[in-house]
Amino acid sequence: EAGVAQSPRYKIIEKRQSVAFWCNPISGHATLYWYQQILGQGPKLLIQFQNNGVVDDSQLPKDRFSAERLKGVDSTLKIQPAKLEDSAVYLCASSAYRRSYEQYFGPGTRLTVT
Amino acid sequence: DQQVKQNSPSLSVQEGRISILNCDYTNSMFDYFLWYKKYPAEGPTFLISISSIKDKNEDGRFTVFLNKSAKHLSLHIVPSQPGDSAVYFCAASQYSSASKIIFGSGTRLSIRP
Repeated sequence: EAGVAQSPRYKIIEKRQSVAFWCNPISGHATLYWYQQILGQGPKLLIQFQNNGVVDDSQLPKDRFSAERLKGVDSTLKIQPAKLEDSAVYLCASSAYRRSYEQYFGPGTRLTVT
Repeated sequence: DQQVKQNSPSLSVQEGRISILNCDYTNSMFDYFLWYKKYPAEGPTFLISISSIKDKNEDGRFTVFLNKSAKHLSLHIVPSQPGDSAVYFCAASQYSSASKIIFGSGTRLSIRP
């Protein structure tokens, strides 16, 4: 079974530029999560999708972050414009159903904002 | 406000000995607790979990203990092996929150020969 795929693995941008991350969850997984992990901290949930609907986006900085999950499969997370404090690893995870605590994580995208 | 706290950023244990990783939480509404393990350049992987109706859950070399009155849980690894060297995240959730997981900051475990 293929795992959660993410791209790119690394990205370096200047502040005020925009960036997009892509995630392909495990086949058949209805729930998809985007997390932000700042160095020295644990992952923090940004947004949770159930199929193509948003379940929780309470911690997503909506003035600069956006996410979508078209057709309930792949998802993209965008930052526009980026700030220095957005430097982090962005992790995508998926689970088989909404109340599953066992989430499967991708390798993450390491973003550096200079 | 950190709801899940791992106060030890790192831990070094000799191979073959017991590794004990600790975690404290502040939200009494949490009813499910998990441990995730993370290797460098990889995403976290689920390791073991425990429901608040239990005080112990065992899976091979890994055992998680929950003390609800103290709002404390611990992960025991016996015996410790070199492949156990990783960052371990404690996490907690409420059933009513539809699987939203709150992670601690992690403990880096190093197993020395």
